[in-house]
Amino acid sequence: GAVVSQHPSRVICKSGTSVKIECRSLDFQATTMFWYRQFPKKSLMLMATSNEGSKATYEQGVEKDKFLINHASLTLSTLTVTSAHPEDSSFYICSASPRRGGQNEKLFFGSGTQLSVL
Amino acid sequence: DAKTTQPPSMDCAEGRAANLPCNHSTISGNEYVYWYRQIHSQGPQYIIHGLKNNETNEMASLIITEDRKSSTLILPHATLRDTAVYYCIVRVAYNTGNQFYFGTGTSLTVIP
Repeated sequence: GAVVSQHPSRVICKSGTSVKIECRSLDFQATTMFWYRQFPKKSLMLMATSNEGSKATYEQGVEKDKFLINHASLTLSTLTVTSAHPEDSSFYICSASPRRGGQNEKLFFGSGTQLSVL
Repeated sequence: DAKTTQPPSMDCAEGRAANLPCNHSTISGNEYVYWYRQIHSQGPQYIIHGLKNNETNEMASLIITEDRKSSTLILPHATLRDTAVYYCIVRVAYNTGNQFYFGTGTSLTVIP
C-alpha cells in the first residue's frame, strides 16, 4: 500500500513556541492531504484539507492563524502550531490519498505526532 | 460531521469471528462505507470499503444491508493483534473532493 511518513513522532515544547509537523507521501503524489487531531480515547477530528499550491480549507471551529498549513509540493504538507499552549497538546495525524476523488479512493495515514506543550 | 454510530466497546474470544456493527441511516446513494482500525498511538489502518455489495478481502468481510442504513464488519478469526479501535466511516462527496469523517468507533478487545 501507499506510504505516508510523518515527522516528528513526538515533540515537547515550551508554551509560546511554534512547532512544525511534516507529512510526506513517499511513493505517490498527493494534491490533497488531510490533517486530523485526536484527544486521548477520542476519535479523529478533521482539522483541515491541505491543497497543493493553494490555501488550505479549514473545518468549522479550527483557527487558521493557530494552525498554519503549507502544501508546497505534491509530496509534502506541513502543519505549524503557532504560539503553542498546553491546550494544543494532542495527537496530530496526517493522511493522503493516491487516487483523489476516485471510486476506490483510500486514505493512508501517517503514524502521528504526539505534541506536548509545557 | 460523522454520519455513523457504533457501540463503544466489544469483546471477542480469540479464534472466533468478531462482528462489528455500524449504523449509517442518513447515508446518501453515492456515499461509500469505509472501515479503518487504529491501534494505540498509531495512524489508522485501512481495512475495507464498499458501496452496496458485500465485500471481502484478506483482512475482513463487509456486509451492507440492502437499504444501506447499516453494515457489519466481520473479522473471521480474531487474534490478539486485532485488538484495536475500529472506525466505520461514511465517505462524503463534495465538489472539492471526498471527505472522510470519523465517528466514535468501537474498541474491540480480543480475549485469549
